Amino acid sequence: NAGVTQTPKFRILKIGQSMTLQCAQDMNHNYMYWYRQDPGMGLKLIYYSVGAGITDKGEVPNGYNVSRSTTEDFPLRLELAAPSQTSVYFCASSAGFGPGEQYFGPGTRLTVT
Amino acid sequence: GEDVEQSLFLSVREGDSSVINCTYTDSSSTYLYWYKQEPGAGLQLLTYIFSNMDMKQDQRLTVLLNKKDKHLSLRIADTQTGDSAIYFCAEMGGSSYKLIFGSGTRLLVRP
Repeated sequence: NAGVTQTPKFRILKIGQSMTLQCAQDMNHNYMYWYRQDPGMGLKLIYYSVGAGITDKGEVPNGYNVSRSTTEDFPLRLELAAPSQTSVYFCASSAGFGPGEQYFGPGTRLTVT
Repeated sequence: GEDVEQSLFLSVREGDSSVINCTYTDSSSTYLYWYKQEPGAGLQLLTYIFSNMDMKQDQRLTVLLNKKDKHLSLRIADTQTGDSAIYFCAEMGGSSYKLIFGSGTRLLVRP
């Protein structure tokens, strides 16, 4: 049981490039989330999903896209990377709504130069 | 809109108690959480409290909730150097799956 895994751990992108951050969970959780954490700040929700085929925007969705074709995977796509997207990205999953714990992945540190 | 605020920094001596404070604005919050983040790691859930509770104790951790003042605190008894980390307060609203996080309190435990 690996929990929530994310790849890559680190990435440097040039302005205008695109990339996909991968997230997978093996806990059969319906709910999955993408957050970004800027230096000295809390986490901001980018997108979330309540099940395969269902996604919705969080607080800061601009510049990102997601898909959820399977229960296990929830990739985050950055199109036309900008310096403002330099951040640490965390994926999380939970069994459901309420006190169900959100399990976090180790994060992907992205720098856009 | 929803907002969660925390003080940025707290320094305590090893063996003392630490109290980390948090205020939130969403009166419909159902659950309030405390997460711990160690350097280079993801967030680890420490504890949570349901909004109809005043207090929750879990070993060295005590959570106090003042719903009237929308104030949440985390007390760590007998603070150890391993407790040095960033602590995030988060709230989940009544009709949302989303967690709203504070900006985190960096706890430094001095030997």
